[in-house]
Amino acid sequence: GQSLEQPSEVTAVEGAIVQINCTYQTSGFYGLSWYQQHDGGAPTFLSYNGLDGLEETGRFSSFLSRSDSYGYLLLQELQMKDSASYFCAVRNGDNYGQNFVFGPGTRLSVLP
Amino acid sequence: DGGITQSPKYLFRKEGQNVTLSCEQNLNHDAMYWYRQDPGQGLRLIYYSQIVNDFQKGDIAEGYSVSREKKESFPLTVTSAQKNPTAFYLCASSMRGTGFAAGPNTDTQYFGPGTRLTVL
Repeated sequence: GQSLEQPSEVTAVEGAIVQINCTYQTSGFYGLSWYQQHDGGAPTFLSYNGLDGLEETGRFSSFLSRSDSYGYLLLQELQMKDSASYFCAVRNGDNYGQNFVFGPGTRLSVLP
Repeated sequence: DGGITQSPKYLFRKEGQNVTLSCEQNLNHDAMYWYRQDPGQGLRLIYYSQIVNDFQKGDIAEGYSVSREKKESFPLTVTSAQKNPTAFYLCASSMRGTGFAAGPNTDTQYFGPGTRLTVL
């Protein structure tokens, strides 16, 4: 089976840097994705890591270590609008990656 | 504009009724998915389809049914057999892929705005 773990909540202040961790257990690993979801809205894609290392997209970066089954999303220069839930996701290794499994989500609260 | 739409935005169902949620995409994606999200929870997969006329059960398929007669459309029916259907339903699409062809393009899912279903 597949399982992903994330902290349930993270709180930070405007302008700070925050890291949201994701650890996974999968029977086959094909890459780690990150999504952002504001309250009442739909998830939107943020980042993808297929290989070890850091991927940077503006204020957001994502890191992957396949040997540690671990990744994180790094948000810099936090803004109030970054308050949202963040989900990591992997392809389902039980069926050759034909669908996706999501983590439970981390709720980020940005304080003024 | 390319995108994925869902309707209605809000839906109210009486006990014992079947209701159908619409999902349409014009992104030319082969793969489509239905997820259920309960308050404060993650996304759980109901059904998915990799190609027209084919679909597979996800983790929580009981009480739901789908069809995939057209590439653009993947409607979800919530039947009276679903005992606790009140939830937020999200439809998504992506390029068709398996783990062997994974990458940022195939692994990006595009989500519709969702349908909030309430049982009265």
